[in-house]
Amino acid sequence: NAGVTQTPKFRVLKTGQSMTLLCAQDMNHEYMYWYRQDPGMGLRLIHYSVGEGTTAKGEVPDGYNVSRLKKQNFLLGLESAAPSQTSVYFCASSTSKFYTEAFFGQGTRLTVV
Amino acid sequence: GQQVMQIPQYQHVQEGEDFTTYCNSSTTLSNIQWYKQRPGGHPVFLIQLVKSGEVKKQKRLTFQFGEAKKNSSLHITATQTTDVGTYFCAGRPISTGAGSYQLTFGKGTKLSVIP
Repeated sequence: NAGVTQTPKFRVLKTGQSMTLLCAQDMNHEYMYWYRQDPGMGLRLIHYSVGEGTTAKGEVPDGYNVSRLKKQNFLLGLESAAPSQTSVYFCASSTSKFYTEAFFGQGTRLTVV
Repeated sequence: GQQVMQIPQYQHVQEGEDFTTYCNSSTTLSNIQWYKQRPGGHPVFLIQLVKSGEVKKQKRLTFQFGEAKKNSSLHITATQTTDVGTYFCAGRPISTGAGSYQLTFGKGTKLSVIP
């Protein structure tokens, strides 16, 4: 039972390069989230999705785009990476907005040089 | 937007001492969740509180939800080295707008336990 799987686990990018982080869940969850974690800043919501084909902005959406073409996948894109996007990225999913826990992936450590 | 504040940011305790972290929201919450993240790991769900004034216990951990549903606390009795990690609270606002889908995390309290 895989749960929430993030790909890749580590990546180093040069400033200006683009990349896509993939999150896949096998729990048939409706809601999916992308967070970034920086020292002393906790977990900040980037974008989220409440169902296939729908996405919404979170607290820190600038510089990122997302897509949810399939229910089980949630993609996070960086079109032109900047050093300020160096962070650990976590994907999470849950069954509904109330009364259920969020399941997290293992994280992607991204460094932009 | 909704803000969830958590204090303290860091806590160092001697093994066997108690530990408490506090969480305060700028808005009324529908529920509050607590997560633990071990060093190098990902957040893992501990518990959820829904009712005003609710208290739940898990072995040495006691969780409380305030009467106004805007604050919460996690208390660990007699800490052990296995308690090391960062503890996060996370809340969903009670509003029915688009923001109610968001799960907003506090900055976390990093607990170190000295053997």
